[in-house]
Amino acid sequence: GAGVSQSPSNKVTEKGKDVELRCDPISGHTALYWYRQSLGQGLEFLIYFQGNSAPDKSGLPSDRFSAERTGGSVSTLTIQRTQQEDSAVYLCASSLGQGNSPLHFGNGTRLTVT
Amino acid sequence: QKEVEQNSGPLSVPEGAIASLNCTYSDRGSQSFFWYRQYSGKSPELIMFIYSNGDKEDGRFTAQLNKASQYVSLLIRDSQPSDSATYLCAVPLGGSYIPTFGRGTSLIVHP
Repeated sequence: GAGVSQSPSNKVTEKGKDVELRCDPISGHTALYWYRQSLGQGLEFLIYFQGNSAPDKSGLPSDRFSAERTGGSVSTLTIQRTQQEDSAVYLCASSLGQGNSPLHFGNGTRLTVT
Repeated sequence: QKEVEQNSGPLSVPEGAIASLNCTYSDRGSQSFFWYRQYSGKSPELIMFIYSNGDKEDGRFTAQLNKASQYVSLLIRDSQPSDSATYLCAVPLGGSYIPTFGRGTSLIVHP
């Protein structure tokens, strides 16, 4: 079956512009996660959606970052007024949403802010 | 402090040897433990998960969990050059459903 799909795969933007990153999870997966990975660094949690519950936004680094998940499926991560330190690979993952369910990752969006 | 700790390496082993990758975690109450492999420039892919104390084997891979010591390891038998990658340990901490990832151990298998 289809895996987690992210778009675009690469995005180059100028400092100060807004960007939107899209994630389409595996069908039937109720949990959706956003992480980011800076060059040579580990995975940094950003936000978690589970079904119709309020999202866990505890990992968002600033109020320039927001995310939504429409209809319990597709999610969009928005970064406003991008800064150079936002440059990273943004990874989306989905899971069955049960406590022990493993995450399945998309191919990521590489964001470069110039 | 909620932490998942891994030695960054690199761990270098000859082809055919056993590679041993280790991970410690801070939350004694954690219930599930995951190992991911990440090739350079690619996204993480699930290798194994383990929930119970002891060993779990899948092909050349064995995960070992010791909850009392808060320690989980991954053994790779008959290591191949294609196993060269960064191995990430992930553990949901503090009763959360959100896995905290270690920084990963770089494994190099040389012919």
